[in-house]
Amino acid sequence: GAGVSQSPSNKVTEKGKDVELRCDPISGHTALYWYRQSLGQGLEFLIYFQGNSAPDKSGLPSDRFSAERTGGSVSTLTIQRTQQEDSAVYLCASSSGLAGRQETQYFGPGTRLLVL
Amino acid sequence: AQTVTQSQPEMSVQDAETVTLSCTYDTSENNYYLFWYKQPPSRQMILVIRQEAYKQQNATENRFSVNFQKAAKSFSLKISDSQLGDTAMYFCAFKGLRGSNFGNEKLTFGTGTRLTIIP
Repeated sequence: GAGVSQSPSNKVTEKGKDVELRCDPISGHTALYWYRQSLGQGLEFLIYFQGNSAPDKSGLPSDRFSAERTGGSVSTLTIQRTQQEDSAVYLCASSSGLAGRQETQYFGPGTRLLVL
Repeated sequence: AQTVTQSQPEMSVQDAETVTLSCTYDTSENNYYLFWYKQPPSRQMILVIRQEAYKQQNATENRFSVNFQKAAKSFSLKISDSQLGDTAMYFCAFKGLRGSNFGNEKLTFGTGTRLTIIP
């Protein structure tokens, strides 16, 4: 079946502009995660959704970052007033969300964001 | 908080040889999962292998196997008969089970090892 998809694949924006990144999880997966991968760094957790609610948003770096999920499916990560340090690859992952079971997260191809 | 350390930023090996990537982690939890993910230039993170901490037997997936030493908090990945398609960044990741979102904890990643297979 289809995997996790993300759009756009690449995004170039000017400092101060707002951007929206989209994630389409695997069909039926109720858990969705956003991570950020900066140049030369590992992956940094941003936020976790279970259904439409976000039990863990501890990784969001500032109030310029927000995310929502509607219909228990598509999620949008919004960065307001982008800064150059926001340049990174933003990865989305989903898992089946069945508590108590071993959970493997399946990743999308990411969105590469460049803030000029 | 958990931490994951990969002490080898880069490695290279001739094809058909065996290579071992190191990973250590720090946690106070007793039950958790460990993963190795591969990220080729396409950026797609691909699960290579996973290990449940309560299992003593080391996980294997074809040419990939792990050496899980729970007491030492070590989780190395061995790639046998390496192939050109194994060239990628490899990330070690930890997932705990202590939180309220049992089974759905975030992954904590190491900084990765860039592996190059030389023809």
